[in-house]
Amino acid sequence: DQQVKQNSPSLSVQEGRISILNCDYTNSMFDYFLWYKKYPAEGPTFLISISSIKDKNEDGRFTVFLNKSAKHLSLHIVPSQPGDSAVYFCAAKNAGGTSYGKLTFGQGTILTVHP
Amino acid sequence: DAGITQSPRHKVTETGTPVTLRCHQTENHRYMYWYRQDPGHGLRLIHYSYGVKDTDKGEVSDGYSVSRSKTEDFLLTLESATSSQTSVYFCAISDGGLYNEQFFGPGTRLTVL
Repeated sequence: DQQVKQNSPSLSVQEGRISILNCDYTNSMFDYFLWYKKYPAEGPTFLISISSIKDKNEDGRFTVFLNKSAKHLSLHIVPSQPGDSAVYFCAAKNAGGTSYGKLTFGQGTILTVHP
Repeated sequence: DAGITQSPRHKVTETGTPVTLRCHQTENHRYMYWYRQDPGHGLRLIHYSYGVKDTDKGEVSDGYSVSRSKTEDFLLTLESATSSQTSVYFCAISDGGLYNEQFFGPGTRLTVL
């Protein structure tokens, strides 16, 4: 039972254009969402997060949008740069008291930004 | 960067042998996690710890055990390695803040022949 899904295994965009990575979830108890970026041979690094009480969060070139009714979130990267080429994982957290901060991750999307 | 190291970074072993992976942190974070990363599956939680000697199973715990005798160390053991356990293993730590942002180690690539 995949509670967090990233249905696009890969995405290819041109440098300077917008990259949009999508993520869907099924568990209505999730109320914090995070995006991680992963380069080859390295561990994932935190990128940006959003609480379910918000519908948008921005950090420089990165913006995350949350549509709670659709159980959908997206990560926008504008403008895309070749250094953004990586695997992007979305993750969700249940804020319940016994969750111990566990995150549920999607399968990841490989983003390639062409010069 | 959070102080997390994993050892070994690479290991090749044979089916049926025991394997122990070590995660060491210098951040004094309460929570520690072990994940495996496989193509098409993303990151899947194997076991986690919410304090010294306090551990619990994740979604893919069969064939794995863990121990945490000190805050800084979290060990993952494959009692009898199988080829299906060939994977990249990541350790993560968290102080349990609002978003529980987790910081990941560099990973261990394990190959079971």
